[in-house]
Amino acid sequence: NAGVTQTPKFQVLKTGQSMTLQCAQDMNHEYMSWYRQDPGMGLRLIHYSVGAGITDQGEVPNGYNVSRSTTEDFPLRLLSAAPSQTSVYFCASSFGRPYTDTQYFGPGTRLTVL
Amino acid sequence: AQTVTQSQPEMSVQEAETVTLSCTYDTSESDYYLFWYKQPPSRQMILVIRQEAYKQQNATENRFSVNFQKAAKSFSLKISDSQLGDAAMYFCAYRSAHAGGTSYGKLTFGQGTILTVHP
Repeated sequence: NAGVTQTPKFQVLKTGQSMTLQCAQDMNHEYMSWYRQDPGMGLRLIHYSVGAGITDQGEVPNGYNVSRSTTEDFPLRLLSAAPSQTSVYFCASSFGRPYTDTQYFGPGTRLTVL
Repeated sequence: AQTVTQSQPEMSVQEAETVTLSCTYDTSESDYYLFWYKQPPSRQMILVIRQEAYKQQNATENRFSVNFQKAAKSFSLKISDSQLGDAAMYFCAYRSAHAGGTSYGKLTFGQGTILTVHP
């Protein structure tokens, strides 16, 4: 298994540009989520999904969209990038019971918005 | 809302020695899970150890053990026989055991503690 994969590893955007961060897992996990990591603040939940076709907002959803058309993929879209979205982004997944099952993290994407 | 606090921004230890990282949390729930994650320079988040709140016995994983004090809402990580490969940022995290509600499955993280291991 490749586990949780994320692409790209690094990205630089200009303010106002849009882009999609990709996340995929090959473990047949139902639950997937996106976090952002900022210095001194730990990781914060952006959006999550409990299965294909089902998504919901986390703690800091503004400026981000998600969709879940397949079990394997959970892309995160930045509609109009802002410098405040400069961060490291992590995707995580677990089996269908995230309140009991261990979540596995991807390697992260470092995004810089100029 | 739950909060997790790591009051030690940085810690250091000599190789082969023991170090303890502190974590406190605040919650009104009785059922939850606590975790320690390690983040080396590669940025990968690696699960170190996990504790179920309903278990009184402290979790252990090889050189890693926790001191879970539920009444005090304290969850410290002890690393024994420290190795150079233990150098990383360590995060304490909380997750509710309840299936319903908003932010389902959400992990609430502390600010992190940078651990340096000296040879």
